[in-house]
Amino acid sequence: AQSVAQPEDQVNVAEGNPLTVKCTYSVSGNPYLFWYVQYPNRGLQFLLKYITGDNLVKGSYGFEAEFNKSQTSFHLKKPSALVSDSALYFCAVRDVEGDNAGNMLTFGGGTRLMVKP
Amino acid sequence: EAGVAQSPRYKIIEKRQSVAFWCNPISGHATLYWYQQILGQGPKLLIQFQNNGVVDDSQLPKDRFSAERLKGVDSTLKIQPAKLEDSAVYLCATNLYNEQFFGPGTRLTVL
Repeated sequence: AQSVAQPEDQVNVAEGNPLTVKCTYSVSGNPYLFWYVQYPNRGLQFLLKYITGDNLVKGSYGFEAEFNKSQTSFHLKKPSALVSDSALYFCAVRDVEGDNAGNMLTFGGGTRLMVKP
Repeated sequence: EAGVAQSPRYKIIEKRQSVAFWCNPISGHATLYWYQQILGQGPKLLIQFQNNGVVDDSQLPKDRFSAERLKGVDSTLKIQPAKLEDSAVYLCATNLYNEQFFGPGTRLTVL
């Protein structure tokens, strides 16, 4: 079965500093990986995805993520955090070729990012 | 392009009552999902439709939850009867080119 782990419930960072939100995954086949952001009282918004190709993926609002197959990780990063980046971030995986291949996304438990001025 | 629409946005009911949620997907998106997001957790897939057919409902508690997607467009999710543990946000999403688009969700509180 596919699974996603976000080991940090909350990440605190000062505005202007770089941020990292961690994500590790487990699938039986090859993964498609996603990051979503959720602001209060709003649905999930797509940030970026890894399908194939370059391991460094660039997405919306200056975010990027690096796919590391050997470490089964897909950490979200941003060089300079903004207060407006404060939100709940979810990593998700889709098993492309394994036992659970299909369109089903499995989400991590979420990480709350707090950016302080 | 209009996004995924959901209604109502909020619903408060007592346990053992029934409730229904409605989703209007993005035009042309054949795949539709319903997720349950309990406070403090990530969304969990309840059911996936491809057009008006069910692809995956393995996580749907079928003794009390039901969903349909008539004509392959709008979808409704029903809970009958509701339990306290059904309190959550119910998210509808559609899929295009490996990207899922989410609606704003319906926040259900069961008292």
